Amino acid sequence: EAQVTQNPRYLITVTGKKLTVTCSQNMNHEYMSWYRQDPGLGLRQIYYSMNVEVTDKGDVPEGYKVSRKEKRNFPLILESPSPNQTSLYFCASSSDRGASEQYFGPGTRLTVT
Amino acid sequence: QKEVEQNSGPLSVPEGAIASLNCTYSDRVSQSFFWYRQYSGKSPELIMSIYSNGDKEDGRFTAQLNKASQYVSLLIRDSQPSDSATYLCAVIGSGGYNKLIFGAGTRLAVHP
Repeated sequence: EAQVTQNPRYLITVTGKKLTVTCSQNMNHEYMSWYRQDPGLGLRQIYYSMNVEVTDKGDVPEGYKVSRKEKRNFPLILESPSPNQTSLYFCASSSDRGASEQYFGPGTRLTVT
Repeated sequence: QKEVEQNSGPLSVPEGAIASLNCTYSDRVSQSFFWYRQYSGKSPELIMSIYSNGDKEDGRFTAQLNKASQYVSLLIRDSQPSDSATYLCAVIGSGGYNKLIFGAGTRLAVHP
């Protein structure tokens, strides 16, 4: 089954404790992206990757890191999480050029206390 | 001004009616437009894409694009309770094909 998977689905952590949210797709897509979704603000892009070893900032990259060492994986790293990073996070991938027609993962609900 | 604007709703329509969802965007050079559906607690799902002026129909869904007015809409015919969800408008603009800008979404409620 073609899908984007994320882990963990739910995470409660404390300020400053480094964490990684994994994202994997089995569709051989070149483009992958991370978004956060907050009430009233919609989905905002954090980082994206056009291909292996090619990543770039989206609209809200502060406090986040990413890496793309393999085509299928695109982890999101929070080196020192803060309460304002409490949000719902989605990973997405696309086979088309760039950000068109993306498939989304199930989401990761992160709470930072 | 937000780059992509939608009325937050809720838009309430009776079962069987036409639901009309609207979206405006600020970037005149935007070329690609998308509608995603998001059920409560779930991830967004692409339901329509439109790239040129006019109408595009897919089953009960019709997307309409008017670039001169910087306006894109989604019509849902014969609305069903299962259509109750938040509908997100998304646009690829002058930031390039790598960036998809989302509106905050319109919540649709279809009542029996």
